[in-house]
Formats: sequence, structure tokens, C-alpha cells
Amino acid sequence: DAGVIQSPRHEVTEMGQEVTLRCKPISGHNSLFWYRQTMMRGLELLIYFNNNVPIDDSGMPEDRFSAKMPNASFSTLKIQPSEPRDSAVYFCASRTGGGPETQYFGPGTRLLVL
Amino acid sequence: RKEVEQDPGPFNVPEGATVAFNCTYSNSASQSFFWYRQDCRKEPKLLMSVYSSGNEDGRFTAQLNRASQYISLLIRDSKLSDSATYLCVVCFMDSNYQLIWGAGTKLIIKP
Repeated sequence: DAGVIQSPRHEVTEMGQEVTLRCKPISGHNSLFWYRQTMMRGLELLIYFNNNVPIDDSGMPEDRFSAKMPNASFSTLKIQPSEPRDSAVYFCASRTGGGPETQYFGPGTRLLVL
Repeated sequence: RKEVEQDPGPFNVPEGATVAFNCTYSNSASQSFFWYRQDCRKEPKLLMSVYSSGNEDGRFTAQLNRASQYISLLIRDSKLSDSATYLCVVCFMDSNYQLIWGAGTKLIIKP
């Protein structure tokens, strides 16, 4: 079975450019999470969807970040305009059920903003 | 104070040795506990859940101490392949069942 799929795997862009990260969760999973990981701050939850509806976006750093989940099989995380401090690994994860089950992570997108 | 705290390490351990590290959590309403493993430049993957009675999976033993609010991971007969970062994860009942992540403990097993 396919796991969580993320694209692109690597992204290098210049400051001020728009960046769009994509995620396809595991089929049948109804919760989707976007995380950011840096050496300084570790793994941070950015936003969490349940049944395509954003439940908690308190982790989204600022208005430059936005996330959508138009259907159960696709989500995007957009940064506009991007800044060098946004450089990080962005992980998407999905989970089934509403309880504290485990999450399955995608391979991540390594973003470098110059 | 962070909700979930771990010693970042690195722990440098000779192959074959036993190593243990703890993770403390601040919210007594916590419900579920997990250890994840993250290899360099890879995504986190579930290593094991932590049950109230403690549990063992091969060379790995996880313990929960609710009174002192910490969980532990013990690795016996360590292998070179155990080198990774180990992330402590806590699920609080009052956080909509979201997982709260520790920053991780880096383990390096040396030949």
C-alpha cells in the first residue's frame, strides 16, 4: 500500500517567491497534519484537518502560511511570500479515527529559501 | 516550560551496551504515550507505544511512570543500526487527541 505521498521532495526558491507543498494522505485516513521540523525548534504542528475541515491552525506561523484540503485525498501548504527563516523540512502525516492512534508520516519536503 | 521535554544528547554508546533515556511531560491529563524513531534525513516512524504496565519489544523496553510524569526507553545490546533520534510523543486528552512531540534524543552507537 502507498504511504503518505509528498511533493516536491526538495524545493529551492528565492525569498519572496510563492511555495506550494502537496500531500496525498493514506487512503481511508480522515485526519491530516502538517508539521515543520528545524534543528532549533524540532517538530512543530502547523495545522490539523479532520474530515477535510481545519480543526486547529494555531501553529501556523503567520498570515504568509495557508493550508487547504479540498478533498480527502489532497492537501496543500502554501507560503507566500517565502522568507529564509521558512527553510525547514515540512512533513505531512495522516491518521485514521478520532482517537490517539498513531500517525503515519510522508517523506517530507526539504525547503530552502535563499 | 515545554509540555514534553527530552535530553537532546547526543548519547554516545559503545555497541552492545545498554542505554536508557527519559522523557518528562507536564500535563497530568495525558492519555497515551509513544516512542518514535527518526533516522537522519528521514521521517519519524513509530517505534512502540508505551502502556501503563510497561511493555517490551525485543531489545526495547518502554516504561511509564504516571506519578512522576515520565516515560522511559531502554535499549539492550545496542546495535549500530540503533543510531537515530528518538522522539517522545504524548497525547493529551484535552488537546483534541493531538500528539505533542518532544524535541528528540540523539543516540549514536559506536563500534
